[in-house]
Amino acid sequence: SQTIHQWPATLVQPVGSPLSLECTVEGTSNPNLYWYRQAAGRGLQLLFYSVGIGQISSEVPQNLSASRPQDRQFILSSKKLLLSDSGFYLCAWNSGSTYNEQFFGPGTRLTVL
Amino acid sequence: QKEVEQNSGPLSVPEGAIASLNCTYSDRVSQSFFWYRQYSGKSPELIMSIYSNGDKEDGRFTAQLNKASQYVSLLIRDSQPSDSATYLCAVNGGVAGNQFYFGTGTSLTVIP
Repeated sequence: SQTIHQWPATLVQPVGSPLSLECTVEGTSNPNLYWYRQAAGRGLQLLFYSVGIGQISSEVPQNLSASRPQDRQFILSSKKLLLSDSGFYLCAWNSGSTYNEQFFGPGTRLTVL
Repeated sequence: QKEVEQNSGPLSVPEGAIASLNCTYSDRVSQSFFWYRQYSGKSPELIMSIYSNGDKEDGRFTAQLNKASQYVSLLIRDSQPSDSATYLCAVNGGVAGNQFYFGTGTSLTVIP
């Protein structure tokens, strides 16, 4: 069966500090991978998605970036965090078929102070 | 125009009643439709997927899809307090259907 991991689970960072969130998927190959952000009381905002190694599509221009160095690894980064970057960051995967469901990791709760 | 719209609620139903959650979407080429349940502080959990017009039942949950009306709904029968959560509607879209668009969710409270 497939499993998706995210770490860290929680993170408190000062404004202007760097960020690196990691997501890995087990039990599947060549998944589509996604990063979402959910601000308090808000819906899910798609940040990035990737259909393969080194292939990143950005949905929202901002100070975040994503990379996919390996087939089942997806990393979200920032060089300098803003207060508005606080939120619940969710990684998700699906197998790439139009009819396939998307599954979420446990999430990382980021607070920028 | 939002891709996916849901009533934000809150929706309150007594225990044992039927809860009805509704969602409309704007992209006519969407082919996949999903309902997720999200407990407070947790990540979304997939509970139903539907791809064809009509009803799909799974236990106490029934998803209904009407592509002509661009409408998808979720019925929860015999609602339990453990069903209290936010329910997210999602549809696929974008190039090759690789993107997923989520509604802002409907908050459901089941009153014992």
